[in-house]
Amino acid sequence: ETGVTQSPTHLIKTRGQQVTLRCSSQSGHNTVSWYQQALGQGPQFIFQYYREEENGRGNFPPRFSGLQFPNYSSELNVNALELDDSALYLCASSLGTGGNTEAFFGQGTRLTVV
Amino acid sequence: ELKVEQNPLFLSMQEGKNYTIYCNYSTTSDRLYWYRQDPGKSLESLFVLLSNGAVKQEGRLMASLDTKARLSTLHITAAVHDLSATYFCAVDMSDDKIIFGKGTRLHILP
Repeated sequence: ETGVTQSPTHLIKTRGQQVTLRCSSQSGHNTVSWYQQALGQGPQFIFQYYREEENGRGNFPPRFSGLQFPNYSSELNVNALELDDSALYLCASSLGTGGNTEAFFGQGTRLTVV
Repeated sequence: ELKVEQNPLFLSMQEGKNYTIYCNYSTTSDRLYWYRQDPGKSLESLFVLLSNGAVKQEGRLMASLDTKARLSTLHITAAVHDLSATYFCAVDMSDDKIIFGKGTRLHILP
């Protein structure tokens, strides 16, 4: 158990729909990073939130957006879903930007777009 | 752009044998991770390596880091079936933004 929880665990959506995934960070952590892991691939960095501000973004289109709340939990929103968005979405929490702690991953949300 | 390359990408080995997975990365970093992932599951942290020459061992797995060569290794000793999984090397780009390798699918035959 890492103390990082994600919801829902599984989700099926139709192409063109919108989806929101949620992540509760480990107690004391102020940074949440999101990753997309397609089948058979390594996780890809989507973006990171530090103290409610976006703090870096990977190579993902703007229809991938996020939020971080005052309690440091976070949401990942994906608009206009495409079939290729089907993946395992992982969030990781940490005490980032200079904090000397490792990142801890949640159990993931499996998104299937049909 | 930081790149992380693992090899081999697939490894099938007999129980009781030793083998090493290699991880090369392209730019300097102050933190390197090894993770295990079972099918359909999330990532399990195995090792965090922070400094040149760092060596960590847990059971049959041992990880090492050479920051000058930008190389990490994960050595498996006397493999057992329970170690069958996908192993990822990952490097902290900065401030906990992590770049992963493609993973090594390890299949241990009884």
